[in-house]
Amino acid sequence: ETGVTQSPTHLIKTRGQQVTLRCSSQSGHNTVSWYQQALGQGPQFIFQYYREEENGRGNFPPRFSGLQFPNYSSELNVNALELDDSALYLCASSIGTGKETQYFGPGTRLLVL
Amino acid sequence: AQSVTQLDSQVPVFEEAPVELRCNYSSSVSVYLFWYVQYPNQGLQLLLKYLSGSTLVKGINGFEAEFNKSQTSFHLRKPSVHISDTAEYFCAVSDPGGFKTIFGAGTRLFVKA
Repeated sequence: ETGVTQSPTHLIKTRGQQVTLRCSSQSGHNTVSWYQQALGQGPQFIFQYYREEENGRGNFPPRFSGLQFPNYSSELNVNALELDDSALYLCASSIGTGKETQYFGPGTRLLVL
Repeated sequence: AQSVTQLDSQVPVFEEAPVELRCNYSSSVSVYLFWYVQYPNQGLQLLLKYLSGSTLVKGINGFEAEFNKSQTSFHLRKPSVHISDTAEYFCAVSDPGGFKTIFGAGTRLFVKA
């Protein structure tokens, strides 16, 4: 059984650019959540996808968007990058929400210059 | 709105000593509570979770936590720590039927020889 994988591992972009981060869920998991973890902080919930539909969203602007595909893999897209978007982006897969254990990938570290 | 407060940002402790990492939460509804660990350059891994029932929850690697509803706390304990326990520990809360998991800012446990 493969775990949650994310690509790329590191990324450097400049302000105003767009970025796409990818996440492959653990086998059998139908739910993916994305988090932003700034340096020295806890993960902040961006949004969640359940069976290809957005299931809920945190306090992030619309330039943060996502997709979930039929195989339950997922993408996080960020448009018009700002310096404050520099962070570790984590995805987590699970079977459903709420009480279910989330299995986290190793993250993508994004640096915006 | 739910929130999580981890009362200590850093906890230094000697090897084989006991440790307690403190977590308080606020919520107007019943909650699920989690502790996750993050080793350097890795994603988060679940240590344990409280859903209902017995207030003492045992997890992996010898950790346990006690849910105290009256004090809205969920402190993590280990009777004897190892060097390998050095990591960042996150307390988190979600509500039944909800989609969002709220994380605390984290506590860095540093185990000294």
